[in-house]
Formats: sequence, C-alpha cells, structure tokens
Amino acid sequence: AQSVAQPEDQVNVAEGNPLTVKCTYSVSGNPYLFWYVQYPNRGLQFLLKYITGDNLVKGSYGFEAEFNKSQTSFHLKKPSALVSDSALYFCAVRDPSGNFNKFYFGSGTKLNVKP
Amino acid sequence: KAGVTQTPRYLIKTRGQQVTLSCSPISGHRSVSWYQQTPGQGLQFLFEYFSETQRNKGNFPGRFSGRQFSNSRSEMNVSTLELGDSALYLCASSVGTGGPYEQYFGPGTRLTVT
Repeated sequence: AQSVAQPEDQVNVAEGNPLTVKCTYSVSGNPYLFWYVQYPNRGLQFLLKYITGDNLVKGSYGFEAEFNKSQTSFHLKKPSALVSDSALYFCAVRDPSGNFNKFYFGSGTKLNVKP
Repeated sequence: KAGVTQTPRYLIKTRGQQVTLSCSPISGHRSVSWYQQTPGQGLQFLFEYFSETQRNKGNFPGRFSGRQFSNSRSEMNVSTLELGDSALYLCASSVGTGGPYEQYFGPGTRLTVT
C-alpha cells in the first residue's frame, strides 16, 4: 500500500533561519512526490514536485525539496524562513498503480515562524 | 486564468438529508478529484473524474457519489448525511491524469452536519 508520513506535527523556527519539514514515503514503483501548503480557510497550493532526475527540486516562494531514494524521503527546505511561511504543509505521493490521479497525503506539519 | 471554484463555501445540513457540492475546474483541465479533509483523518481521496468517467474511487461508502459534465465541471453528492460527514470537501483539478500532474485545489466547501 502507498503511504506518506510526516513525523512532525509542528515545526518552530525563527525568522531568517533555515527550515526543514520532513516527509517519508512508501510506494511500490517510482514515486511522483509533491509538496502543498495550506493557509487558514484556504485550499491547498502546489509548491513543487519530484518526477525524476535531479534530486534537488526547486519550487515556489524559495522552497526546495530533496529527494533521497535510499532513505525514501522528500524533505522540504528553505534557506531563510519568513513569518509569512507560517502555514500547514502537506507532502503527497501519487499512487503509481494505475492510470489515474489518486494521491496519498501526509498528516500535515504546522510550520510556525517566529519574528 | 481563474482558479478552481467551489460552491457553496459553507453548508449546514441535518442528519439524514442529502447535499450536492459543485466544482468548476481551471479552464482546460479535464481531471477533477475530490477529497475530504477532517482533523482526525486528514486528507482522504474520494474519487477522480476524467472526461466524464470515474477513474478511481477511495474507501468511502456508496452514499458518496459524483459525476462530471462535458465541460469538466463536477458535482459530488452525499446522501443520508451522518454527523461524521462534517468536513471540508476539497476539489482539485489537473490538466491530465495518470501522470506527474500537479493538482490545483479550490477553497473547499465546509459542510456541517447537525
């Protein structure tokens, strides 16, 4: 079965410091991995995705993610956090078992960036 | 381009009633997926429609159903509402299906069942 785990419910970081939000996955086959962000009372916004190739993927708003096949991880990173980055972050993997869009989402990590 | 729109944004229903939620995808997007988001279960996949055909369905009872129209707009219906159906229902569209396509989400419909 496919699954995604986000081991941290909450991450606290000071503004200007680097941030990392962790994600591990379990899929049978090559994964398509995604990061989304959700602000209060809003839907999810796409940040970035990994399909194949370079293990470091760059996305929106200065975010990047590192794919590590041996550790089955896809951690989200940003070199310098902003207060406006405070939100709920979701990691997702597309089910590779068929020709459809079925995504498994992690439980979400709340990022708090303090001034 | 306009984003994904969902109507209504908020809904209050009574147990036993039924409800229909609507989703208009981004222009040119042919895939529409529905998710249920709750604090306890997180984001769970309900179903996906592509070219008016249901491509896949999540692990939800038959009370949850959907359809897609020729203009790619989609509706989902929940019959015989239960208290546990209270959730944020999110619609997401993508340009295609079965590939590395990111999904674009609407703001959601907040359903409260009393």
